[in-house]
Amino acid sequence: GAVVSQHPSRVICKSGTSVKIECRSLDFQATTMFWYRQFPKKSLMLMATSNEGSKATYEQGVEKDKFLINHASLTLSTLTVTSAHPEDSSFYICSARDRGGRRYNEQFFGPGTRLTVL
Amino acid sequence: GQQVMQIPQYQHVQEGEDFTTYCNSSTTLSNIQWYKQRPGGHPVFLIQLVKSGEVKKQKRLTFQFGEAKKNSSLHITATQTTDVGIYFCAGSTDSWGKLQFGAGTQVVVTP
Repeated sequence: GAVVSQHPSRVICKSGTSVKIECRSLDFQATTMFWYRQFPKKSLMLMATSNEGSKATYEQGVEKDKFLINHASLTLSTLTVTSAHPEDSSFYICSARDRGGRRYNEQFFGPGTRLTVL
Repeated sequence: GQQVMQIPQYQHVQEGEDFTTYCNSSTTLSNIQWYKQRPGGHPVFLIQLVKSGEVKKQKRLTFQFGEAKKNSSLHITATQTTDVGIYFCAGSTDSWGKLQFGAGTQVVVTP
């Protein structure tokens, strides 16, 4: 149980285009999802907290107009990187909390999306 | 804001040896979690510590939470090649469970 999927796993796009990444909780309801960015051999940097049915809360320094987050249902959150540039190339990982489950505080991570902007 | 510092950044270990990675927070935490990320993989939850002074064991892994709930450690005994990966500590202070990750300790095991 507690599986989180991400799609796509890899994406290569041209500079200036927008890319949408989906994060799904497959077997539980996730009222809260988190989006992270990870640079090579670096730690996870929290970008935003996504709550179902409300606006995402962005961390300091993260442009909300650049990284659009939508948490439309209890099992789906999307991250759209708008007008992508090469510096947006990174590994994006989502995680979800099963607030209704026994493993209350544990975050279940998706497999990540490798974004390369040319 | 809250900062979580983790040392060492790299740990090169001979198979069979022990090692410890340390985590320190600038603020008091409500809980601390540990995750492991294998090469090419995503972080996987290992354990959560909530109580002051708490110690938990998972086979060869021993996790401690400091009395002040501002520091934690992970000690691995008799390291095996399967222990390779990056070990992250992550501290939480709010009710939403938002985690502040440490920089991670990358563990390399030499047979």
